[in-house]
Amino acid sequence: AQSVTQLDSHVSVSEGTPVLLRCNYSSSYSPSLFWYVQHPNKGLQLLLKYTSAATLVKGINGFEAEFKKSETSFHLTKPSAHMSDAAEYFCVVSDVYTGNQFYFGTGTSLTVIP
Amino acid sequence: DGGITQSPKYLFRKEGQNVTLSCEQNLNHDAMYWYRQDPGQGLRLIYYSQIVNDFQKGDIAEGYSVSREKKESFPLTVTSAQKNPTAFYLCASNIGTRGMNEQFFGPGTRLTVL
Repeated sequence: AQSVTQLDSHVSVSEGTPVLLRCNYSSSYSPSLFWYVQHPNKGLQLLLKYTSAATLVKGINGFEAEFKKSETSFHLTKPSAHMSDAAEYFCVVSDVYTGNQFYFGTGTSLTVIP
Repeated sequence: DGGITQSPKYLFRKEGQNVTLSCEQNLNHDAMYWYRQDPGQGLRLIYYSQIVNDFQKGDIAEGYSVSREKKESFPLTVTSAQKNPTAFYLCASNIGTRGMNEQFFGPGTRLTVL
């Protein structure tokens, strides 16, 4: 069965410091992995995706994530946090055996302190 | 502009009433989804459709109904049987390649039961 665990429900960082949002997944075969961002009362926007190409994936707004199969992880990072990064972040997994369904983590709320 | 639209943005319902949430996409995507979002619980799948005239129940389908008569439209009806319908509802679409491509999300509808 597929599942996603976001290890932190809340993360606070100071502006200009690195961001690390952790995600572990469970998938039977080769997964597709996604990170989305959601600002209050808005829809979800794709930050980046991994679909079995390069294990280090670069996304929008300076975010990147590394797929580590041995650790079943797909952590999201950014070298320097900006105030506009404050939002909810979701890690999502899918694979060819899920019938085009997507499995969401419960989200990590990122606070950026000025 | 290609994308997904949801209407209305805010919806108020009296107890015992059915309401229908609209979702339209012009991305020519085969798959469409409805999610419910409650604080601290991430996204939960209500219904999804892989193709016109076909749809499947998700994890929390009780008290909801859908139709998929046209490729671009996937309306969700919240019936009076749904015990706690106050939530943020998100519609999404996907090209339909067995989970390898991302979902695109609409801006959401916030439903409040008075």
